Amino acid sequence: EIVLTQSPGTLSLSPGERATLSCRASQSVSSSYLAWYQQKPGQAPRLLIYGASSRATGIPDRFSGSGSGTDFTLTISRLEPEDFAVYYCQQYGSSPSTFGQGTRLEIK
Amino acid sequence: QVQLVESGGGVVQPGRSLRLSCAASGFTFSSYGMHWVRQAPGKGLEWVAVISYDGSNKYYADSVKGRFTISRDNSKNTLYLQMNSLRAEDTAVYYCAKERTRGWKGFDAFDIWGQGTMVTVSS
Repeated sequence: EIVLTQSPGTLSLSPGERATLSCRASQSVSSSYLAWYQQKPGQAPRLLIYGASSRATGIPDRFSGSGSGTDFTLTISRLEPEDFAVYYCQQYGSSPSTFGQGTRLEIK
Repeated sequence: QVQLVESGGGVVQPGRSLRLSCAASGFTFSSYGMHWVRQAPGKGLEWVAVISYDGSNKYYADSVKGRFTISRDNSKNTLYLQMNSLRAEDTAVYYCAKERTRGWKGFDAFDIWGQGTMVTVSS
């Protein structure tokens, strides 16, 4: 199975700053089938990005995804207070679908 | 609105069984593949099982293969997860999730998630 490694484990930033989260795959992700999710405490995950770079319905344009092959990035251009959460990447190009271990984005 | 509501969680002894349900509304349930994903306390997300829109294709994580069975009743807009021979390591919040696109291509991103139901396996 494809192992996804997210970095950093924790990212401490202030509102208004730019956040860059990384997701590295142990093998090439087929057809850029890579998604990003946001999860807040006590809530279900929310889809942000699919197909590596397409924003899901209703997601603000400050969220963007990029990358291909084994290296993918989620960028939040200007952090809002509601963006502080845990972020997971997921590959769905190979069975079984796998998730990264998560990056916690915390307020500095 | 589009909604998934899980039920059936609880506390169960090791080796016993439990059946989870996921009631869908607000979309054409019979057109979408559906998944179960779990999250152990304080841990990350783990994919558990998938069923195609018509129930003809089912796949499982190795950790639950042979013990868990995914099924669906499209006439009732409901997804199920039958969990047998439960172990302590099955303790988690179980989410049902809808695939983003209609039809079947094996795997897809999950655009709608339920609120989750907690399963605790303990003696």
